[in-house]
Amino acid sequence: GAGVSQTPSNKVTEKGKYVELRCDPISGHTALYWYRQSLGQGPEFLIYFQGTGAADDSGLPNDRFFAVRPEGSVSTLKIQRTERGDSAVYLCASSLRPASGDTGELFFGEGSRLTVL
Amino acid sequence: AQTVTQSQPEMSVQEAETVTLSCTYDTSESDYYLFWYKQPPSRQMILVIRQEAYKQQNATENRFSVNFQKAAKSFSLKISDSQLGDAAMYFCAYRSAPGTASKLTFGTGTRLQVTL
Repeated sequence: GAGVSQTPSNKVTEKGKYVELRCDPISGHTALYWYRQSLGQGPEFLIYFQGTGAADDSGLPNDRFFAVRPEGSVSTLKIQRTERGDSAVYLCASSLRPASGDTGELFFGEGSRLTVL
Repeated sequence: AQTVTQSQPEMSVQEAETVTLSCTYDTSESDYYLFWYKQPPSRQMILVIRQEAYKQQNATENRFSVNFQKAAKSFSLKISDSQLGDAAMYFCAYRSAPGTASKLTFGTGTRLQVTL
């Protein structure tokens, strides 16, 4: 697609429920990133994929959070047993493979706002 | 680990005037990228300007320019001839080692208000 697409735009769920957030990166971008942005804060890194594999998952806060990218394109961020503290905007970004001329820029989607009641 | 600090939570500027947003960072690396991103209420991060650390010349994009002081680890953004559409959150960000798909590290942001 022309840009990074994230669905749903907004998600309201109850404490304890399971949630999936989807990211469709720019076509041809092999690197994909997930960030979490709490109200009034800067985005915090969660995980990034190079192709299908998670190259760095050091930002995932605990084992309730998991992300996959099975075919090297679309990615899903999965949150189990949601807590009120998980409420935030979840941003996805993509970038070119370095060997193909990575300018260093990440291209962001509009995010998924998660509200846990 | 790299850190990015934005010490101005909020700034205000009158339309057509000039404003400077501050950013400092901490790193032991010699080669890296620095960015300023704008985030309007739509939530999408939009790249304003980027700077490669090995380039001594300060980057410029139309009304936006940076003052990059590598030794001082300072990277400020100057917005000239401010417009109402410039009102947004501005985030400074750091990325390691050009050529690797490393993560961006963001500061906490500066909210810019533009008044008539």
